[in-house]
Amino acid sequence: GAGVSQSPSNKVTEKGKDVELRCDPISGHTALYWYRQSLGQGLEFLIYFQGNSAPDKSGLPSDRFSAERTGGSVSTLTIQRTQQEDSAVYLCASSSPGTGGSGNTIYFGEGSWLTVV
Amino acid sequence: GIQVEQSPPDLILQEGANSTLRCNFSDSVNNLQWFHQNPWGQLINLFYIPSGTKQNGRLSATTVATERYSLLYISSSQTTDSGVYFCAVESGGYQKVTFGTGTKLQVIP
Repeated sequence: GAGVSQSPSNKVTEKGKDVELRCDPISGHTALYWYRQSLGQGLEFLIYFQGNSAPDKSGLPSDRFSAERTGGSVSTLTIQRTQQEDSAVYLCASSSPGTGGSGNTIYFGEGSWLTVV
Repeated sequence: GIQVEQSPPDLILQEGANSTLRCNFSDSVNNLQWFHQNPWGQLINLFYIPSGTKQNGRLSATTVATERYSLLYISSSQTTDSGVYFCAVESGGYQKVTFGTGTKLQVIP
């Protein structure tokens, strides 16, 4: 696609429910990132996928969080048993490292705004 | 891991003024990028600048990798420049990108 696409753009869920957030990266981009941003705060790294390599999950805050990337393209971030502190914007980004020059320029989607009530 | 600090944390400018934003990082980096997050939350890549100087209109950036800092210059600021500016670095042989603490800029008419 022309850009990184995320869905849903907004999600309100009840505490304790599971949610799934989807990211469709730019076509051909091998690297995919998930970040979380709480209101007025910086970007918190969650997980990084690069090609067929094992993902870097070092930023996932708890075992309630998981992510997968199927076929090297679309990624889903799943939050189980949501808590109020999970409320934030979840941002997905993609890039194409190793293509030389500014190949690792990162492009962000518009985010999924999650509110846990 | 690498630490990325930005200064100042907050900045208020009169429209038309110039400013310099700074990004310091604690280790050598493979690349560095500057982003602008507008008031609606959208993050836009401004520069990919692991070293040297680049210019794009009223914006320019310089990275001095050996001294572990980068500068973003905004000239003749406009209200549309308001938002948060982040630098982000990639270090080691690893492509995880670490974001700085951000500079929140408000340009007033």
